[in-house]
Amino acid sequence: EAGVAQSPRYKIIEKRQSVAFWCNPISGHATLYWYQQILGQGPKLLIQFQNNGVVDDSQLPKDRFSAERLKGVDSTLKIQPAKLEDSAVYLCASSLVNTIYFGEGSWLTVV
Amino acid sequence: GENVEQHPSTLSVQEGDSAVIKCTYSDSASNYFPWYKQELGKGPQLIIDIRSNVGEKKDQRIAVTLNKTAKHFSLHITETQPEDSAVYFCAANPTDSWGKLQFGAGTQVVVTP
Repeated sequence: EAGVAQSPRYKIIEKRQSVAFWCNPISGHATLYWYQQILGQGPKLLIQFQNNGVVDDSQLPKDRFSAERLKGVDSTLKIQPAKLEDSAVYLCASSLVNTIYFGEGSWLTVV
Repeated sequence: GENVEQHPSTLSVQEGDSAVIKCTYSDSASNYFPWYKQELGKGPQLIIDIRSNVGEKKDQRIAVTLNKTAKHFSLHITETQPEDSAVYFCAANPTDSWGKLQFGAGTQVVVTP
C-alpha cells in the first residue's frame, strides 16, 4: 500500500516569498492533517480536514498560511509571505479510523 | 490543553542493552498514546500505540506501558540494535479532538556497537 506522498521534498525561498506544498494521502483515508515540525521539536498540528471540510485550524497562522483539500483527496498548504521562523518540516498525515500515518515531509528553509 | 513531557532528551545505550523512554501527560481525558520513530530526513513512523483501556502492549522487541492513574506511559526497547538509533516521539490524543496529537519533545537514541 502506498504511503502519504508529499512534494516538493526540499524548498529554499527568501523571506516574503510564497511557497506551496502538496500532499496525497493514503488511498481511502478521509482525514488529512498538516503538521509543522521545527528542528529539535515534536510536530505541531496546523490543520485537520475530514473529507474536504476543515475540522480544526485553530493553530494555523491564517494571516500567512492557507490550506485546502478540494474534492476530499489531495491537499495543498500555502505560505505567503514566508517569514524566517517558518523554516521547518511540513508533515502531511492521514488516517482512516484510529491510526495516523505521516509522509516524509517537505523541508522548508526561509533565508 | 494537553501537555506532554518526555525524558530523557538523549539516550546512549550499548547494543544488546535495553532502552526506556518515559512520558507524562496532563489531560486525563487523553485516551490514545502512539509512539513514533523518526530517522534523519524522514517522517515519523508509527512503531507502537496503546489505548487507555489497555495497560501494556508488546510487539517483538518493543513494549509500551500505560499508567492512567499517574498519567504516564513508557516505551521499552529490548536487545537494542544499531538500526534502533533514531529520534523517538511520544504523543497523546485527547478524546474530544481526535487527530490533534500533542507530541513530546523527542528522545535521541544512539545505539553503539
